[in-house]
Amino acid sequence: ETGVTQSPTHLIKTRGQQVTLRCSSQSGHNTVSWYQQALGQGPQFIFQYYREEENGRGNFPPRFSGLQFPNYSSELNVNAMELDDSALYLCASAEGSGSYNEQFFGPGTRLTVL
Amino acid sequence: AQSVTQPDIHITVSEGASLELRCNYSYGATPYLFWYVQSPGQGLQLLLKYFSGDTLVQGIKGFEAEFKRSQSSFNLRKPSVHWSDAAEYFCAAINFGNEKLTFGTGTRLTIIP
Repeated sequence: ETGVTQSPTHLIKTRGQQVTLRCSSQSGHNTVSWYQQALGQGPQFIFQYYREEENGRGNFPPRFSGLQFPNYSSELNVNAMELDDSALYLCASAEGSGSYNEQFFGPGTRLTVL
Repeated sequence: AQSVTQPDIHITVSEGASLELRCNYSYGATPYLFWYVQSPGQGLQLLLKYFSGDTLVQGIKGFEAEFKRSQSSFNLRKPSVHWSDAAEYFCAAINFGNEKLTFGTGTRLTIIP
């Protein structure tokens, strides 16, 4: 059984650009959550998808959007990036719905916005 | 507002010494509680969780945590730390039916020989 993987590992973008981050969940995990972790902070919940539908969202603007695919992969899209979007982005997958199920985290994508 | 507080930003402990990391939560009802560990370049790993029942919870790597409702606390303990325990530790909480897992700001643990 493979773990949760994310790509790319690192990314540098310019303010105003758009970015897509990718996550591959563990096989059989129907739930994927995305988190933003700024330097020196704990992860902040962005949103969660269950069976390809968004079923929970944190305090992030609409320019943060996502997709989940039937093959256990998912994407986080950020439009019109701002300097404050620089952070480590984590995805986590879980069996079933609900964040109280054990979440398995990927190593993250380090995004730098210049 | 729902929140999780970890009062200690950084703790230094000698190898072999005991450890206690503090966590307090502010929720309307008792949430589900978790402790995660994050090592450099690695994702967060679940150490243990509390949903209900016995207030002393055993986890992986020799960690345990005690839930105290009267103090709104869920402190993490280990009787004897190893150099490999050096990492960032996060307490987290969630209410049943709410998909938002809320993390504290973390405690960085340094182990000295």
